[in-house]
Amino acid sequence: GAVVSQHPSRVICKSGTSVKIECRSLDFQATTMFWYRQFPKQSLMLMATSNEGSKATYEQGVEKDKFLINHASLTLSTLTVTSAHPEDSSFYICSAHDRDRAYEQYFGPGTRLTVT
Amino acid sequence: GNSVTQMEGPVTLSEEAFLTINCTYTATGYPSLFWYVQYPGEGLQLLLKATKADDKGSNKGFEATYRKETTSFHLEKGSVQVSDSAVYFCALRTNQAGTALIFGKGTTLSVSS
Repeated sequence: GAVVSQHPSRVICKSGTSVKIECRSLDFQATTMFWYRQFPKQSLMLMATSNEGSKATYEQGVEKDKFLINHASLTLSTLTVTSAHPEDSSFYICSAHDRDRAYEQYFGPGTRLTVT
Repeated sequence: GNSVTQMEGPVTLSEEAFLTINCTYTATGYPSLFWYVQYPGEGLQLLLKATKADDKGSNKGFEATYRKETTSFHLEKGSVQVSDSAVYFCALRTNQAGTALIFGKGTTLSVSS
C-alpha cells in the first residue's frame, strides 16, 4: 500500500521557538494533503487542507499565521508551528490523497510535539 | 454539517467475545464511510470501507454495513483477540474529490485473555 512518512516522530521544543514537521508521500503523488491534530483521547481535528502549489485552506478557528503550511511539491508538505506555546503540545498527523487510487487517503504515523 | 457519532468507550471485552461499536453519521448526499484503527504508538490504518448504501466492508474478521435508512455503519467482529486492542475511528467523506475525512471521537477497545 501507499506510504506516508512524517518527520520527526517526536520533538520537544522550548516555548517561543518554531518547529517544522515534514510529511512525505513516498510512492505516490499527492495533490492534496491534510493536517490533523489529535488531542489525548479525542478525535482527529482537521486543521487545514494543503494543495500542491497553492495556499492552504484552514479550518475555522485555526490560526494560519501560527500554523504555516507549505505544499511545495507533489510529495512534500510541511507544517511549521511558529512561536510555540505549551498549549500547542499535541499529536499532529498528516494524510495524503492518492489521486491514482480513487483518492484513497493514507495517513502518516504522526508527530508528537511537546512544548516546554 | 457533516458529522460522525460513535459510542463512547472504553470497551472492555474478554478474548473471543463479540464486538459491536456503534457509529451513526449526518451528511448531505451519499458519503463514503470508513473505519480506521490506531494501534498503540502507531498511525491510523484503514480497516474497512463502504462507498454506497447496503455495501458491506470487511477485513480481518471485522465487518460493517452501510445502512442509509438508519444512517449507521456499526463495526462488528464475531470473536475478538487481544491483538485487536486499539482505538477505532469511524469516519465519513463526501464524494467530492479532494475532501478530508471527518472522524468520530474514537472508541478504545481493550481485550483481555
